[in-house]
Amino acid sequence: SQTIHQWPATLVQPVGSPLSLECTVEGTSNPNLYWYRQAAGRGLQLLFYSVGIGQISSEVPQNLSASRPQDRQFILSSKKLLLSDSGFYLCAWTVTGELFFGEGSRLTVL
Amino acid sequence: AQSVTQPDIHITVSEGASLELRCNYSYGATPYLFWYVQSPGQGLQLLLKYFSGDTLVQGIKGFEAEFKRSQSSFNLRKPSVHWSDAAEYFCAVGEDTGFQKLVFGTGTRLLVSP
Repeated sequence: SQTIHQWPATLVQPVGSPLSLECTVEGTSNPNLYWYRQAAGRGLQLLFYSVGIGQISSEVPQNLSASRPQDRQFILSSKKLLLSDSGFYLCAWTVTGELFFGEGSRLTVL
Repeated sequence: AQSVTQPDIHITVSEGASLELRCNYSYGATPYLFWYVQSPGQGLQLLLKYFSGDTLVQGIKGFEAEFKRSQSSFNLRKPSVHWSDAAEYFCAVGEDTGFQKLVFGTGTRLLVSP
């Protein structure tokens, strides 16, 4: 069966520090991969998606970036975090249409 | 571009009572429609989906939803709510292009009273 792993689960970082969130999927090949952000009291905002290795599409201009170095690995990064980057980040995958989500990473920027 | 509206931010239902959560979408073609549930601090779990065919779809945990094209709605229902159903519910719409880029509503938080 397919599983998705996301880490770290919780992160507290100072403003201006770098960020790396990692997501891996097991049990499937060539999935579409996604990063969503969920801010307090708001819905889910699509940040990045990828249809293959090295192929990244950005939905929202910001100081975040994403990379897909391997078929089932998706990384969300920032060189310098802002206060507004705080939120709950969710990785997701699909091969058949419906998205399957990881457990999320809660980022607090102080 | 597609969009989703969930008009109710909070809903409180007594345990054992029926539930209906509203979802309206905007999309020019045939939509793919989804309902997800999120417990606090957790990821999202798929409850049910509509791609085509029967407009009444059954999901997990006793939930169902009905696609009404004329009303651009995809409301979620459950005949008898359990305390464990308390969570946040998200409706989402995707494109009928073979690649899913879901747009989510802002969610409805369900509270269940004893």
